[in-house]
Amino acid sequence: KAGVTQTPRYLIKTRGQQVTLSCSPISGHRSVSWYQQTPGQGLQFLFEYFSETQRNKGNFPGRFSGRQFSNSRSEMNVSTLELGDSALYLCASSLLPAGNTGELFFGEGSRLTVL
Amino acid sequence: AQTVTQSQPEMSVQEAETVTLSCTYDTSESNYYLFWYKQPPSRQMILVIRQEAYKQQNATENRFSVNFQKAAKSFSLKISDSQLGDTAMYFCAFTGAGAGSYQLTFGKGTKLSVIP
Repeated sequence: KAGVTQTPRYLIKTRGQQVTLSCSPISGHRSVSWYQQTPGQGLQFLFEYFSETQRNKGNFPGRFSGRQFSNSRSEMNVSTLELGDSALYLCASSLLPAGNTGELFFGEGSRLTVL
Repeated sequence: AQTVTQSQPEMSVQEAETVTLSCTYDTSESNYYLFWYKQPPSRQMILVIRQEAYKQQNATENRFSVNFQKAAKSFSLKISDSQLGDTAMYFCAFTGAGAGSYQLTFGKGTKLSVIP
């Protein structure tokens, strides 16, 4: 069974640009969550989607957005990039909504560097 | 709001020895789940062990076991017979079990090094 796939794995952008990250969950998983991981702040919740609906969003500015498609694949977008957006962005999928069991399956992440 | 605290930023252990990683949390919820996740260097995060708050029995998974003290809001991870492959960041995490719970709250992590 294929795991959670995130693309691209590495990318470099400059300030002011925008970026789109993609996540394909494990087959059959309907919940996709996104987390930002930085050395200073650790892992911070961005948002969770279940059956194409955003159920909750973390404390991030409106520059961070996401969506989920009918096949459960998800994308997140960051517009007007800032240096502080440099981070590892992790996608996680689960069979049930994240709060039901909390057991998440993570991808390897997309490492974004903003210059 | 829930908080998860890992007070040991770094730890080391000799191969084959036992090590305990500490985690405390704060919540007003009565039912919830606690987890330990492992993130090896440059590799994906994987679930190590899970504990449901309503279960009094401590969870075990092979060499990994937890000491869950609900009243003290403590959830430590014991790794027995440490192996080189156990070298990783370990994150303690919490989620409420209610319908309004949508996310995991993570601690800042403990970097564990297993020394040959």
